[in-house]
Amino acid sequence: DGGITQSPKYLFRKEGQNVTLSCEQNLNHDAMYWYRQDPGQGLRLIYYSQIVNDFQKGDIAEGYSVSREKKESFPLTVTSAQKNPTAFYLCASKGRSPLHFGNGTRLTVT
Amino acid sequence: DQQVKQNSPSLSVQEGRISILNCDYTNSMFDYFLWYKKYPAEGPTFLISISSIKDKNEDGRFTVFLNKSAKHLSLHIVPSQPGDSAVYFCAASALRSNSGYALNFGKGTSLLVTP
Repeated sequence: DGGITQSPKYLFRKEGQNVTLSCEQNLNHDAMYWYRQDPGQGLRLIYYSQIVNDFQKGDIAEGYSVSREKKESFPLTVTSAQKNPTAFYLCASKGRSPLHFGNGTRLTVT
Repeated sequence: DQQVKQNSPSLSVQEGRISILNCDYTNSMFDYFLWYKKYPAEGPTFLISISSIKDKNEDGRFTVFLNKSAKHLSLHIVPSQPGDSAVYFCAASALRSNSGYALNFGKGTSLLVTP
């Protein structure tokens, strides 16, 4: 049963702490993406990776970092430098078919 | 700078009628367009797509129309069903660019289909 797993579904952190969101896929897709969704906003691209050990900044990369050490995994770290970290974070991957999304992690920073 | 625009935040349609969701784009490099459907607290799911070499693509109750000269596309749902109630995102990408097939999304239109 192939898909993208994002964990946890809900995450709470105190301001000033770094937090890492997990994204794992077993679809054998080369490309992976991180998007952020805010209320009333579309999905905005944070980072993407077309291949292992390579990644590029998206439109809103400031305050975020990623790694792509394995094909299956593309974790996103929300650092304390991100001014408005509270949001719904979506991970996606792509093979031959259109982007396939996970079910997201809702991060709340207080 | 929003390159994909969905100017109607919400739309309400009666069951059985046609739903028409609209989308405009500004980047002339976009050559592949998609519609995604999203329920609350879930990830978007792919619905239908169209390449810029076509002006229409149909899949069951869903049809997407592309007007390249107007930089406009629309999604038609006929007949609309209550289960179609969701947020619909229009997305576009420039396959020939070095953007890793990343999609640019509109802000979404919330469709409510009433019985």
